Amino acid sequence: GAGVSQSPSNKVTEKGKDVELRCDPISGHTALYWYRQSLGQGLEFLIYFQGNSAPDKSGLPSDRFSAERTGGSVSTLTIQRTQQEDSAVYLCASSLAAGGRTDTQYFGPGTRLTVL
Amino acid sequence: GIQVEQSPPDLILQEGANSTLRCNFSDSVNNLQWFHQNPWGQLINLFYIPSGTKQNGRLSATTVATERYSLLYISSSQTTDSGVYFCAARKTAGNKLTFGGGTRVLVKP
Repeated sequence: GAGVSQSPSNKVTEKGKDVELRCDPISGHTALYWYRQSLGQGLEFLIYFQGNSAPDKSGLPSDRFSAERTGGSVSTLTIQRTQQEDSAVYLCASSLAAGGRTDTQYFGPGTRLTVL
Repeated sequence: GIQVEQSPPDLILQEGANSTLRCNFSDSVNNLQWFHQNPWGQLINLFYIPSGTKQNGRLSATTVATERYSLLYISSSQTTDSGVYFCAARKTAGNKLTFGGGTRVLVKP
């Protein structure tokens, strides 16, 4: 079946504007994760959704970042009042469930965000 | 949180050579994955290996959970093996994967 898809693949925005990034997980996967990869910073965790449980937001860097997951499937990551330091590749991953062999995380191709 | 360290940071290989990449982690884990990030940025799953040994073609991996390290072996390297290899671990009862800094591999023809 299809893998994790993300849109847009590239986004260029001006400082201060809001952006929305979309993730479509693998069908049937209940767990969804957002990470970002910055130059020189490596990959860092942002937020995690598991089924209907409250999300783990411990990785969000500021209150300008938020995410939601509607209907247990598609997720949107929103960055308000973007700053230049938000420039990065935002990666989404999904897994069948949390724990055990079903916890293998599969990554989408990412959205490259550039804030001018 | 858990610390994940990879070595070496950079590796240059002649095509056909073998190599070993190392991943050390600071806590007990219930998820350890190896990824290859290709030149287009896509993270490709190589292994899910919280313990034991697995092989897939020219690649194999071993995780010794009690000693908190994992090794990725590349045999008979090819130019298409070039890219960045990441190790990522999730500590027991945690949610997120913590990534190491990666090993950048360049295989020369």
